[in-house]
Amino acid sequence: DAGVIQSPRHEVTEMGQEVTLRCKPISGHDYLFWYRQTMMRGLELLIYFNNNVPIDDSGMPEDRFSAKMPNASFSTLKIQPSEPRDSAVYFCASSLAQGRTGNTIYFGEGSWLTVV
Amino acid sequence: ILNVEQSPQSLHVQEGDSTNFTCSFPSSNFYALHWYRWETAKSPEALFVMTLNGDEKKKGRISATLNTKEGYSYLYIKGSQPEDSATYLCAFPAGFQKLVFGTGTRLLVSP
Repeated sequence: DAGVIQSPRHEVTEMGQEVTLRCKPISGHDYLFWYRQTMMRGLELLIYFNNNVPIDDSGMPEDRFSAKMPNASFSTLKIQPSEPRDSAVYFCASSLAQGRTGNTIYFGEGSWLTVV
Repeated sequence: ILNVEQSPQSLHVQEGDSTNFTCSFPSSNFYALHWYRWETAKSPEALFVMTLNGDEKKKGRISATLNTKEGYSYLYIKGSQPEDSATYLCAFPAGFQKLVFGTGTRLLVSP
C-alpha cells in the first residue's frame, strides 16, 4: 500500500515566486495534516483537514500561506510570495480518526524548500 | 498553549554507548504520549504510543518509559549504532484531533 506521497521532493526558488506543494494522502484516511520542520521550532502544525474540510489553520504563519483539499486524495499548500524565511521541510501526513489518545500519523518524505 | 519540551536538543555519542533523552508534557488531562523517529530524507515514523502511567515499551534496542504524574517520558537506546542517528520526536494529542510535537532530540552516533 502506497504511503503519503508528496511532490516536489526538493524545490529551490527565488524570493517572491509562488511555490505549490502537493500531497496525496493514504487512501481511506480521514485526516490530512501539513507540518513544517525547522531547526528553531521543530515540527509545527500548519493546518489540518478532516474529510476535506479545513478544521484548524491557526498554525499558518500569515496570509502568504494557503492550503486546499479539493478531494479526499489531493491537497496543496501554496506560498505566495515566498520569502527566504519560508525555507524548511514541509511534511504532509494523514491518519485515521484521531480520538482521545491520538492515532498514528503517517508522514510523507517531505518537500525540502529553499527560497533564495 | 500546549507545551511539549524535549532535551537535550542534540546529542553526539560513540557507537556502543547507551543514551537516553527526555520528553516533558503537561501532566493534567493526559491521554497518550507518542514517540516518532525521523531519519533525514525519510518519512518520520511512529515508534511508540504510550497511554498508562508506568508504561514501558520496547522495540529492539529502543525502549521508552512513561510517568504521567510528573509529566515526562524517557527514550533509551542501548548500545547505539550509527543507523540510530536520527531526530527523535515526542508528540502529545491536543483537542482530540491533532498531535503537537516537541522540537526533537537530534542524535548522532559516530562509528
